[in-house]
Amino acid sequence: GENVEQHPSTLSVQEGDSAVIKCTYSDSASNYFPWYKQELGKGPQLIIDIRSNVGEKKDQRIAVTLNKTAKHFSLHITETQPEDSAVYFCAASMNDYKLSFGAGTTVTVRA
Amino acid sequence: GAVVSQHPSWVICKSGTSVKIECRSLDFQATTMFWYRQFPKQSLMLMATSNEGSKATYEQGVEKDKFLINHASLTLSTLTVTSAHPEDSSFYICSASLNSQNGYTFGSGTRLTVV
Repeated sequence: GENVEQHPSTLSVQEGDSAVIKCTYSDSASNYFPWYKQELGKGPQLIIDIRSNVGEKKDQRIAVTLNKTAKHFSLHITETQPEDSAVYFCAASMNDYKLSFGAGTTVTVRA
Repeated sequence: GAVVSQHPSWVICKSGTSVKIECRSLDFQATTMFWYRQFPKQSLMLMATSNEGSKATYEQGVEKDKFLINHASLTLSTLTVTSAHPEDSSFYICSASLNSQNGYTFGSGTRLTVV
C-alpha cells in the first residue's frame, strides 16, 4: 500500500516568515495529493490540493508543488500569521480512493 | 461547498456499553464515506470504507464486529462502537466525497471517552 512520510514533525517560525513542509510517497500510481490543517479538537480542513497532471498550485499565501519523478510534494506558507498555527497533514491517494496520511507537522508561528 | 456533519462531538460512556456516531453529508449525496480513528498527537488511521447499500470494507486489524458501520442512505453513515473499553477512547472522524473532482470533506470529529 501507499506510504507517506512527512517532515518535519514540528516547525516553529517567526510571524511573517515562510513555512515549508515536505512529503514523499511510495506508490507511483497515486495521483491526488491534498493538504489538511487540523486545529485542536477539530476535524481536518482541506487547505489546498494538487493532482498529478499539475506541478504547482497556489492559493493566496499557500502553495503546493509536486515532483512526480521524485515522488515529493511540498506545502509552502508565506507571510505566516499566528492563526496559521496548527497541525498540518499531507495525504496521497489513487483515483480518489482512500487517503494515506503523513504523520503530521505541528506548526507554531511566534508573534 | 460540501459539508459533513458529525454527531455527537463528544461522548462519555461506561465500559461495556455501545456508542453510535453519525456522519451526515448535508448538501450532497455520498456513495462512499470513510471512518478514521486518531489517537492524541498521531495521524489519522483509516478504519473502514462505508459504501451505501453494501457492506463496509474494513482495514486490516480493525474488528468489524466491534466497529459496526451502517450506510443506509446516500447522506448518512453510522459507526457503532460495541462493548466499548477504555482502549477505544479516541477521536473518531468521518469523511465523504461527492466525486473525484471535489476531494474529501471531513466531519468535525467525535471525542469518545470510555470510563
